[in-house]
Amino acid sequence: QQQVKQSPQSLIVQKGGIPIINCAYENTAFDYFPWYQQFPGKGPALLIAIRPDVSEKKEGRFTISFNKSAKQFSLHIMDSQPGDSATYFCAASIGGGDKLTFGTGTRLAVRP
Amino acid sequence: NAGVTQTPKFRVLKTGQSMTLLCAQDMNHEYMYWYRQDPGMGLRLIHYSVGEGTTAKGEVPDGYNVSRLKKQNFLLGLESAAPSQTSVYFCASSSPGWVAEAFFGQGTRLTVV
Repeated sequence: QQQVKQSPQSLIVQKGGIPIINCAYENTAFDYFPWYQQFPGKGPALLIAIRPDVSEKKEGRFTISFNKSAKQFSLHIMDSQPGDSATYFCAASIGGGDKLTFGTGTRLAVRP
Repeated sequence: NAGVTQTPKFRVLKTGQSMTLLCAQDMNHEYMYWYRQDPGMGLRLIHYSVGEGTTAKGEVPDGYNVSRLKKQNFLLGLESAAPSQTSVYFCASSSPGWVAEAFFGQGTRLTVV
């Protein structure tokens, strides 16, 4: 049973476009929602995270939008660059950052 | 500052063989984790540890054992490898508390033939 559902599986955008990756969760006890970025041959690295007491969080060109009632959250990448090409994972946990439950990942390609 | 280091980076095993994956962290983190990453399935938690001498099962623990004899090390063992254990294994560590970032190693690619 996939507790965190992520879509799309893959995404191709042109440089400057705004890719959007969506995640939905089932467990209402989740209270921490990070996004991890993974480049080929590397381990995932924390990109940005949000708690459910806010509806949006921005860090540079990356924005998380959170809809608690719909149990959904999404990642937006403004002015995307070829260097953003990577696999993105949403995740969720209870009580902070430990024991993360990951989505299935989105492979993003940003064309020059 | 090395962060989280995994050994080995690649390994090919024959069905039925055993092996141990080593994870070492130099950030004095209390918590350590082992995940496996498979195509289309994301990362799934195998086992984790909240402190030296303690371990607990995650989402997919069957076929694996772990030990945390020292705070900085977390070992993952496969007693009798099966082709279904072909995967990329990631170790991670974090501190307890709110919004604690998990730091991942670079992974071990294991193939069981």
